[in-house]
Amino acid sequence: GAGVSQSPRYKVAKRGQDVALRCDPISGHVSLFWYQQALGQGPEFLTYFQNEAQLDKSGLPSDRFFAERPEGSVSTLKIQRTQQEDSAVYLCASSLGRASGLGAQYFGPGTRLLVL
Amino acid sequence: KQEVTQIPAALSVPEGENLVLNCSFTDSAIYNLQWFRQDPGKGLTSLLLIQSSQREQTSGRLNASLDKSSGRSTLYIAASQPGDSATYLCAVRRNGNQFYFGTGTSLTVIP
Repeated sequence: GAGVSQSPRYKVAKRGQDVALRCDPISGHVSLFWYQQALGQGPEFLTYFQNEAQLDKSGLPSDRFFAERPEGSVSTLKIQRTQQEDSAVYLCASSLGRASGLGAQYFGPGTRLLVL
Repeated sequence: KQEVTQIPAALSVPEGENLVLNCSFTDSAIYNLQWFRQDPGKGLTSLLLIQSSQREQTSGRLNASLDKSSGRSTLYIAASQPGDSATYLCAVRRNGNQFYFGTGTSLTVIP
């Protein structure tokens, strides 16, 4: 697989349920980003990893959101006690260099989360 | 916070027309600007990346320009085709890890 992959592609959760979203970046990419995209809006930054280090989590909307990348490759975004306002598409992107570099971002297909 | 605006929000053109999409941003201190297309239900596909030191980039029928001082970028699509129908997003990168996206322009090319 040459691109960024995400799973599941669709997730329906009952309000209050915990969910986990997975991202497999392009092999060898140092930087990994998570975004949240509401309907009709552009993606909004959530968090950034450089290898296994989470260097920026300023975009996470609440302490119910947690992300990790323990081995510097696959990343998981976890949302605890989901609320209806969490319904959105969650996009993952990776980039070859560090965020301080100038490379392009490559996006996965996203996970569409619907909280009922 | 960087504000990114895209005009128009929606555009419909007949096949074969040349068209221009606009992106404006409020803070000129950017590292780069990237144009993407997004097809319904899918992720973003990178089209062009312009570094802050560059004025334009070209790929096939696409040409993107950047005027940092005025906070503007344009995406020019030549000889539009129905397959170009998608939402086009621009994203600007400031220092650090923050990328700011516009809300996109929804393009429909009519056969």
